[in-house]
Amino acid sequence: AQTVTQSQPEMSVQEAETVTLSCTYDTSESDYYLFWYKQPPSRQMILVIRQEAYKQQNATENRFSVNFQKAAKSFSLKISDSQLGDAAMYFCAYRRHGAGSYQLTFGKGTKLSVIP
Amino acid sequence: EAQVTQNPRYLITVTGKKLTVTCSQNMNHEYMSWYRQDPGLGLRQIYYSMNVEVTDKGDVPEGYKVSRKEKRNFPLILESPSPNQTSLYFCASSPQIHTEAFFGQGTRLTVV
Repeated sequence: AQTVTQSQPEMSVQEAETVTLSCTYDTSESDYYLFWYKQPPSRQMILVIRQEAYKQQNATENRFSVNFQKAAKSFSLKISDSQLGDAAMYFCAYRRHGAGSYQLTFGKGTKLSVIP
Repeated sequence: EAQVTQNPRYLITVTGKKLTVTCSQNMNHEYMSWYRQDPGLGLRQIYYSMNVEVTDKGDVPEGYKVSRKEKRNFPLILESPSPNQTSLYFCASSPQIHTEAFFGQGTRLTVV
């Protein structure tokens, strides 16, 4: 079974600074998808960024980017120019490629605080 | 507006009293899932469905039932709720098997 590990239960960052959230995963598959989700105090789950394992190029979405290291099974999220609205729980998630399974495995989350 | 709608948003019930949490999506998505979120555990998948009448267990299916009689609806049924099912529940849907999920607003369930 796949596992997703977020080793930082809580982190904080100064407004306008950069922060990196860590995620590692364990899988025997060679093709899969990785996601970062944001959950603000409203509880809504919001997709931040998505990475396909067969793509070597790291995904980027405005101030959010990932560092995908396939051999190390690492998928960290970098938030640049942090804003107060970035304060939230962040979850890393894994989904294997291939028909027959729709399981999405989440990490336990990292709570990010942004200090004004 | 494209959305996943869960009802109710909040529910307090007593042990053993059957309940249903409804989930409906208006995007014609084939894939739907239920998750529960507990502090320190993240989100765990309960059940998922890859099409009408096709459902399968996720990581924590015990104590739950689902049905998928129509494409748009995927209700979660607790036949005999227990206090350990107190949790925050999310329904999600996706257009394809490998894309990201669109989440509902969540249902806060308390079983006393």
